[in-house]
Amino acid sequence: EIVLTQSPGTLSLSPGERATLSCRASQSVSSSYLAWYQQKPGQAPRLLIYGASSRATGIPDRFSGSGSGTDFTLTISRLEPEDFAVYYCQQYGSSRNTFGPGTKVDIK
Amino acid sequence: EVQLVESGGGLVQPGGSLKLSCAASGFTFSGSAMHWVRQASGKGLEWVGRIRSKANSYATAYAASVKGRFTISRDDSKNTAYLQMNSLKTEDTAVYYCTRPCIAAAGTNCYWGQGTLVTVSS
Repeated sequence: EIVLTQSPGTLSLSPGERATLSCRASQSVSSSYLAWYQQKPGQAPRLLIYGASSRATGIPDRFSGSGSGTDFTLTISRLEPEDFAVYYCQQYGSSRNTFGPGTKVDIK
Repeated sequence: EVQLVESGGGLVQPGGSLKLSCAASGFTFSGSAMHWVRQASGKGLEWVGRIRSKANSYATAYAASVKGRFTISRDDSKNTAYLQMNSLKTEDTAVYYCTRPCIAAAGTNCYWGQGTLVTVSS
């Protein structure tokens, strides 16, 4: 089973700042089958990025994903008030999908 | 519009069983894989398992934590997926979501239901 580690656990930033979130896998993720999700309190998660760098339908271009192999990054270029949430990475390249523990982006 | 509606959650004693349902609409259910994801209160997401379509032999896969205890099935005539949970443990307490992948990204969790709460307690 591929184990995903996310850092930092919490990121405290101000609106307008750039957020950089990291996701590291215990082994190489096949074909960059790496996704990012956003979850706000009381809501189901929302898919942001798939295939490591492709934005899902309707996702603003301030969200971008990069990386390959074992190291992946989600970047939010300029934080909007609605972006403060928890972000999870997920690998779906093996028969057993796994999620990372999440990074909380909160208001500084 | 894609809609996924889970039902069947509730309170069950440790060692007991429960069967969740996920009623789907707004897309061709028979052609889509379906996944289950759970989230304990205040905790992160945990992928539970998935079932593929008939074209992919209804292949199933499960997280190690539930393998041998949980079974995912589907009835394409009813546009419904199921999660049969046996030998339940207190650590299975969570909100259970059924999800559907994006067409462009098989294996992702693109569409989510509202979730159904399962509480395992004596």
